[in-house]
Amino acid sequence: GNSVTQMEGPVTLSEEAFLTINCTYTATGYPSLFWYVQYPGEGLQLLLKATKADDKGSNKGFEATYRKETTSFHLEKGSVQVSDSAVYFCALSEAGSQGNLIFGKGTKLSVKP
Amino acid sequence: ETGVTQSPTHLIKTRGQQVTLRCSSQSGHNTVSWYQQALGQGPQFIFQYYREEENGRGNFPPRFSGLQFPNYSSELNVNALELDDSALYLCASSLGQGRSDTQYFGPGTRLTVL
Repeated sequence: GNSVTQMEGPVTLSEEAFLTINCTYTATGYPSLFWYVQYPGEGLQLLLKATKADDKGSNKGFEATYRKETTSFHLEKGSVQVSDSAVYFCALSEAGSQGNLIFGKGTKLSVKP
Repeated sequence: ETGVTQSPTHLIKTRGQQVTLRCSSQSGHNTVSWYQQALGQGPQFIFQYYREEENGRGNFPPRFSGLQFPNYSSELNVNALELDDSALYLCASSLGQGRSDTQYFGPGTRLTVL
């Protein structure tokens, strides 16, 4: 079945460090891929998305490229801030699935000043 | 533009009871999906409603049921509560049901079953 695998957390970085959170997926068709962020005590917010191979999603300095050949959608940011501390979820939505999202387990990021 | 809202924020129930959670979708959105997020896990899809009809369902038993109303707001009902039902319940709305349609999430309802 379809699934999403994220790198285990927690990830602890110093402010201005480079961030990579790995995400790989298994899908039978051509899914759309998403990164959502969850700040403490809040619901999920869409961070970025990509709907076809080689698309790059970007927002707030975060980027992720849809790599069909490696079935990956790694999240990157060049310089993290304390305010980026949150849990990050990779998710996919496959054609014919009524758009329901399949999520990874989440990666908790803590950024220290 | 009003985002997705959910009520109540927190709820405590005992095993065997029934609970109803409510969700108001974002303006103009006709599709509502519900997810269960256990502590430390990613959300799991429960079901989706489109124009008042259930449009897809995840791997949840029939005691999880829902409704969507003509104004596209929605309810999630859970009967015969079990301890494992303790979780954050998230509602998400979208303009459509396609794979590329973005789902916008509410803040969630934290359900504790004792």
